[in-house]
Amino acid sequence: DAGVTQSPTHLIKTRGQQVTLRCSPKSGHDTVSWYQQALGQGPQFIFQYYEEEERQRGNFPDRFSGHQFPNYSSELNVNALLLGDSALYLCASSLEGRLGIVNTEAFFGQGTRLTVV
Amino acid sequence: KQEVTQIPAALSVPEGENLVLNCSFTDSAIYNLQWFRQDPGKGLTSLLLIQSSQREQTSGRLNASLDKSSGRSTLYIAASQPGDSATYLCALRGGGSNYKLTFGKGTLLTVNP
Repeated sequence: DAGVTQSPTHLIKTRGQQVTLRCSPKSGHDTVSWYQQALGQGPQFIFQYYEEEERQRGNFPDRFSGHQFPNYSSELNVNALLLGDSALYLCASSLEGRLGIVNTEAFFGQGTRLTVV
Repeated sequence: KQEVTQIPAALSVPEGENLVLNCSFTDSAIYNLQWFRQDPGKGLTSLLLIQSSQREQTSGRLNASLDKSSGRSTLYIAASQPGDSATYLCALRGGGSNYKLTFGKGTLLTVNP
């Protein structure tokens, strides 16, 4: 059973460019969340997608956008990259959609290391 | 706004020692709490999940407790091993329509052989 997979693992972009990161959730999961982790910090919530819609958003500018596909996979897009966007981007998946679900344990991918130069 | 604090920020112990990592939070209206492990430059590995209605969970050498009234959780690691060296993060999921995980900054654990 494949866990959460993210691609690419590393990425170097120039300031002002745009980037797309991809995430495939754990088999059977229907919800994808994205987090940004700066060095030495805990992950910060960017947004969560459920049923192909953004269900909740953290304190991130509109330059950060996302999408969820019918197969539950997801993309994170960042426009007009800034040096401060350099971080580890983490995708997490969970099962939320079924009635009576109690265990919403989140599973994380290995992350995408984005460096903006 | 939920705030999560982990103390200590770093901990170094000799192999075989039992140890406790602490996590405190400001808002007791949580849905669940998870403890994660993170190796340098890697993603997060889920260790234990405690539902809001539970007091503790155990997995192998790990035991996590939750006390909502005091806003605290602890992760107990028995008979520590060098392979346990990593950063340990606690994260709380809010109640109601607050689906996000709020993380602490983590505790960097080093177990010396």
